[in-house]
Amino acid sequence: DQQVKQNSPSLSVQEGRISILNCDYTNSMFDYFLWYKKYPAEGPTFLISISSIKDKNEDGRFTVFLNKSAKHLSLHIVPSQPGDSAVYFCAASRSGGSNYKLTFGKGTLLTVNP
Amino acid sequence: DTGVSQDPRHKITKRGQNVTFRCDPISEHNRLYWYRQTLGQGPEFLTYFQNEAQLEKSRLLSDRFSAERPKGSFSTLEIQRTEQGDSAMYLCASSSRQVVGNEKLFFGSGTQLSVL
Repeated sequence: DQQVKQNSPSLSVQEGRISILNCDYTNSMFDYFLWYKKYPAEGPTFLISISSIKDKNEDGRFTVFLNKSAKHLSLHIVPSQPGDSAVYFCAASRSGGSNYKLTFGKGTLLTVNP
Repeated sequence: DTGVSQDPRHKITKRGQNVTFRCDPISEHNRLYWYRQTLGQGPEFLTYFQNEAQLEKSRLLSDRFSAERPKGSFSTLEIQRTEQGDSAMYLCASSSRQVVGNEKLFFGSGTQLSVL
């Protein structure tokens, strides 16, 4: 049972335009959400995160939006650059206890065309 | 901060052989995680250490898999009697508590295992 779902395996956008990557989750206990970026043959790199007490977090060109009622989050990249081309993973965790393990989606391959 | 280091980067082995991977976390990080990633999938949790204690193991971790973290520093993941289905990238990550409920994992570059 996939608790974190990224339903779009791939996305292609033009340089300078907005990229919107979507993620849905089913476990209502999740309260912390992260986006990771991954290049081939490398480990995932942390990009941005959001706590469930917020509905928006912004860091430079990257903004994450959280809609708790819909159990949906999205990552906006504006403006998109060719160097943003990578696989983006949505991840979620539960606070409390002693384990902050992440549950990942299957990823979305973003291609930014020059 | 030298990041999370994993060794080797690539490992090719024959079915039935044993393999061992090493992970050196970011110094002073007390939490260490092992994940596995196969093609087209996101990383899947395998096991978790807090200091030297292994606190959780996924049901994905069959009895052929064993992980250790002696003295709470580096960690090793051993796979005995490898099978072709073990072929995957094995990722190590570490973290330390910053703010309660908000913790991000720092990943290494992974070990790509190919079982022939």
